[in-house]
Amino acid sequence: EAQVTQNPRYLITVTGKKLTVTCSQNMNHEYMSWYRQDPGLGLRQIYYSMNVEVTDKGDVPEGYKVSRKEKRNFPLILESPSPNQTSLYFCASSLYSPGTGNTGELFFGEGSRLTVL
Amino acid sequence: GESVGLHLPTLSVQEGDNSIINCAYSNSASDYFIWYKQESGKGPQFIIDIRSNMDKRQGQRVTVLLNKTVKHLSLQIAATQPGDSAVYFCAETPGGYQKVTFGIGTKLQVIP
Repeated sequence: EAQVTQNPRYLITVTGKKLTVTCSQNMNHEYMSWYRQDPGLGLRQIYYSMNVEVTDKGDVPEGYKVSRKEKRNFPLILESPSPNQTSLYFCASSLYSPGTGNTGELFFGEGSRLTVL
Repeated sequence: GESVGLHLPTLSVQEGDNSIINCAYSNSASDYFIWYKQESGKGPQFIIDIRSNMDKRQGQRVTVLLNKTVKHLSLQIAATQPGDSAVYFCAETPGGYQKVTFGIGTKLQVIP
């Protein structure tokens, strides 16, 4: 089954304790992206990656890191989480990079709800 | 989850009626637009897309209209069903770029 898998789905942590949210897709997609979703603010892009070893900042990258060592995986790293990073996080992938003239339909994971105390 | 639906514009529609959800996009350079549907507790799902060289595109029970003059996008759902209850987002992508910008969403409530 074609899917984007995120883990963990739910996490409660404390300020400053490093954590990683994993994301894996099995569709051989080149493009992957992370979003955070907050009430009243919609989905905001954190980082995106057009291919292996190619990453770039989205609209709200502060406090986050990503890596793209393999095509299928795109982990989101919070080196020192703070309460303002409490949010619902979504990973997404696409066969093509949006804006390239090809269909950029994003396939989303089920979300990871993170609470930082 | 449910907290995503708070503070959102809400559209309530009687089952069987047509729904129209509107979206004003911000970037005049955007040339690719998508509508997504997000059900409670799930990730957004693709509904329909449209490129800037078109002003209308139809899918199954859904139609997207694009008015570039006023930077406006709409999603029309025919014969709305209870399963259509969800939050709907429009998304825009400027040509040549890989960043996708989402609107804040509209919550559609279908009244049986």
